[in-house]
Amino acid sequence: QVQLVESGGGVVQPGRSLRLSCAASGFTFSTYGMNWVRQAPGKGLEWVAVIWYDGTNRFHADSVKGRFTISRDNSKNTLYLQMNSLRVEDTAVYYCARDRRQQLVLDNMDVWGLGTTVTVTS
Amino acid sequence: DIQMTQSPSTLSASVGDRVTIACRASQSISAFLAWYQQKPGGAPKLLIYKASSLESGVPSRFSGSGSGTEFSLTISSLQPDDFATYYCQQYNSYPLTFGGGTKVEIK
Repeated sequence: QVQLVESGGGVVQPGRSLRLSCAASGFTFSTYGMNWVRQAPGKGLEWVAVIWYDGTNRFHADSVKGRFTISRDNSKNTLYLQMNSLRVEDTAVYYCARDRRQQLVLDNMDVWGLGTTVTVTS
Repeated sequence: DIQMTQSPSTLSASVGDRVTIACRASQSISAFLAWYQQKPGGAPKLLIYKASSLESGVPSRFSGSGSGTEFSLTISSLQPDDFATYYCQQYNSYPLTFGGGTKVEIK
């Protein structure tokens, strides 16, 4: 079945780095754009970044621009989020989510992982 | 950036009630709007896309309407499984943005 499984979360000090991974299965990963969306404790959803299906383009939210980088390895069916210079306000559950349509851009998200928790604290 | 504003932030209703949640965009987004349902501790679930298209497997009591800047999600007869938080999201342009959410509570 179609599935996304995030990993790599944990507790980290401010200023440190962390890399999240999202393993995809059950669909042709290389034909879908992929996103990271986060949710701080008790708060709403915040889109973080998107990468096009072929990796040729990527966009990041202003709140993470210059610190976070989304990437993908289509040979491994895996999405990544490299998070540098982490701040307390980056504490959240991080979800990976698939664009609903293949090989298109600017889309909603129809498949979501269960999320991985990142806690930034001193 | 396009701002998405939902109302109300909390809604108290009973099983069988018809409920409507509003979502307003700060500029026109045509029909590039999606609705998601999220239950505590769970991931969001896509309900509606392109403002009014029902995602496969979603019960027909859910419906969406609107275009431009004004949108709504309606649940025709609220069921026990529907008590959750609902989010709208625009995909007209990057950055993608979500509304603040509407929590549907048991009255």
